Amino acid sequence: KAGVTQTPRYLIKTRGQQVTLSCSPISGHRSVSWYQQTPGQGLQFLFEYFSETQRNKGNFPGRFSGRQFSNSRSEMNVSTLELGDSALYLCASSSTGTINYGYTFGSGTRLTVV
Amino acid sequence: QKEVEQDPGPLSVPEGAIVSLNCTYSNSAFQYFMWYRQYSRKGPELLMYTYSSGNKEDGRFTAQVDKSSKYISLFIRDSQPSDSATYLCAMKDRGSTLGRLYFGRGTQLTVWP
Repeated sequence: KAGVTQTPRYLIKTRGQQVTLSCSPISGHRSVSWYQQTPGQGLQFLFEYFSETQRNKGNFPGRFSGRQFSNSRSEMNVSTLELGDSALYLCASSSTGTINYGYTFGSGTRLTVV
Repeated sequence: QKEVEQDPGPLSVPEGAIVSLNCTYSNSAFQYFMWYRQYSRKGPELLMYTYSSGNKEDGRFTAQVDKSSKYISLFIRDSQPSDSATYLCAMKDRGSTLGRLYFGRGTQLTVWP
């Protein structure tokens, strides 16, 4: 069974540019969440999607946005990149009704803003 | 103050040692408690999951939750070099959506042979 796939794995962008990251969840998983991981702040919740609808959003500026497609694949977009956006962006997927609670994470996209 | 506090370490122990990792939290609504392990250049993987208070054991790993003290622990017995990783505690309250977890900053553990 394939895991959560995030592309690209590494990305270098310049301040002011925009970037789109992609996440393909485990087959059959309809819920996808995004997190930003930095050494100083740890994992911070960005947003959560279920069946193409955003169900929850963290405390990030409007430059951070996302969407989910009918096949459950999700993308997140960051516009007008700032140096502080350099981080590991993690995507996690889950099947609803999971008793043994937990999300399966992808390996992340490492974004460097220069 | 973050809702979940975790000492980032680093923690360095010899092979075979018992390791204790801890988190404290401030939100009394947290009901679900998890420990994740994250190897370098990988995403976090779920190690242990506990609902409400109590202990849970899985092989060399034991998770404890003390809701009265707002304190959770992960114990690793007979630690191995392959346990070297960053350990993250995570929590969820009953009312929030499925994917909304609150994480500690992680404790970096090194087990040397």
